Amino acid sequence: GAGVSQSPSNKVTEKGKDVELRCDPISGHTALYWYRQSLGQGLEFLIYFQGNSAPDKSGLPSDRFSAERTGGSVSTLTIQRTQQEDSAVYLCASSLVGGTGSNYGYTFGSGTRLTVV
Amino acid sequence: TQLLEQSPQFLSIQEGENLTVYCNSSSVFSSLQWYRQEPGEGPVLLVTVVTGGEVKKLKRLTFQFGDARKDSSLHITAAQPGDTGLYLCAGPDRGSTLGRLYFGRGTQLTVWP
Repeated sequence: GAGVSQSPSNKVTEKGKDVELRCDPISGHTALYWYRQSLGQGLEFLIYFQGNSAPDKSGLPSDRFSAERTGGSVSTLTIQRTQQEDSAVYLCASSLVGGTGSNYGYTFGSGTRLTVV
Repeated sequence: TQLLEQSPQFLSIQEGENLTVYCNSSSVFSSLQWYRQEPGEGPVLLVTVVTGGEVKKLKRLTFQFGDARKDSSLHITAAQPGDTGLYLCAGPDRGSTLGRLYFGRGTQLTVWP
């Protein structure tokens, strides 16, 4: 597609339930990122996929969080046993091949607003 | 600890005024990027600065990268209500060969008509 597509745009879930968030990146963009944005906290890095390389999972806050990217395209972020502190906007971005000091910018999706009640 | 500090955190001005927002770090960056985010949307890339001392202009927006590549500024001339949004600066993680970016917490700009 023309842009990064995320679904759902809004998700309200009960504490303890599992949720899946989907990201469809721009065709041809080999790098895919998940960030989390909370009020007043800025963008928090979660996980990064680049081609067939092992993902950089260093930002995942706990083992309740996992992500996969199938066929080098669509990615799914899964949060198990959701907690109220998981409430945030989850943003997905894609870019051309990165590298140290990369000048390639990110193209972000509109995000999924997750509310855990 | 925030790698990129942005100031001010909030800025509220009248249409037609000029303003400058800042992005500072104690670390050297090979490049810095500026994004603008509007409510309910993801950030949108405005510009990338790569050379110390570089100045880039985008219509009424002027971006500057410090000589030492530790800081950057965004100046808006004759602000308009359409400039309202969250302005974020971001820089690449030198420890990552994969293009991961650090983001500042942003400056929330409101321009009143």
